[in-house]
Amino acid sequence: GNSVTQMEGPVTLSEEAFLTINCTYTATGYPSLFWYVQYPGEGLQLLLKATKADDKGSNKGFEATYRKETTSFHLEKGSVQVSDSAVYFCAFDLNTGTASKLTFGTGTRLQVTL
Amino acid sequence: NAGVTQTPKFQVLKTGQSMTLQCAQDMNHNSMYWYRQDPGMGLRLIYYSASEGTTDKGEVPNGYNVSRLNKREFSLRLESAAPSQTSVYFCASRAANYGYTFGSGTRLTVV
Repeated sequence: GNSVTQMEGPVTLSEEAFLTINCTYTATGYPSLFWYVQYPGEGLQLLLKATKADDKGSNKGFEATYRKETTSFHLEKGSVQVSDSAVYFCAFDLNTGTASKLTFGTGTRLQVTL
Repeated sequence: NAGVTQTPKFQVLKTGQSMTLQCAQDMNHNSMYWYRQDPGMGLRLIYYSASEGTTDKGEVPNGYNVSRLNKREFSLRLESAAPSQTSVYFCASRAANYGYTFGSGTRLTVV
């Protein structure tokens, strides 16, 4: 069935370190891919998205590239900050029109320390 | 501010009690969703409404009912709450260009 697999957390990094959070998906069809971020005590916010192969989504220094051949959408940031501490969710949408819905991974908690 | 509004933010229920979680959006979105978030399991879809007047089951619908009251409002009802329904519930709405907007969540505890 359709699913998203994310690397398990927590991921603990020092400030200014390089971040990679792996995400792979299994889906029928040609999904759109998303990264959402959840800060403590808050709802989900869209971080970035990509809708076709080789597209790169980017926002706030985060990037992810839609790799159809490896069914992956890994999240990267060159230099993390303490304020990036949050839970990150990879998700996809199968683009089935009005019946579209997001399928989420389990989330990866990132903790950035000084 | 435009967005998705959920009420209440917190709720404690006793096993067997019923309650309705309310969700309203003011962005004129056609599609609305209810998810639950549990530790280590990410967000799982309970029910969704592709458009006003339609509702469909998601991944984990058992123990829940929904009503799409109008285009703005999509409520989630627990008829007889169980401890397994202790969770954080998120409502979301979607625009045609794949933009999903989430509410701030309802933290429900069933004792």
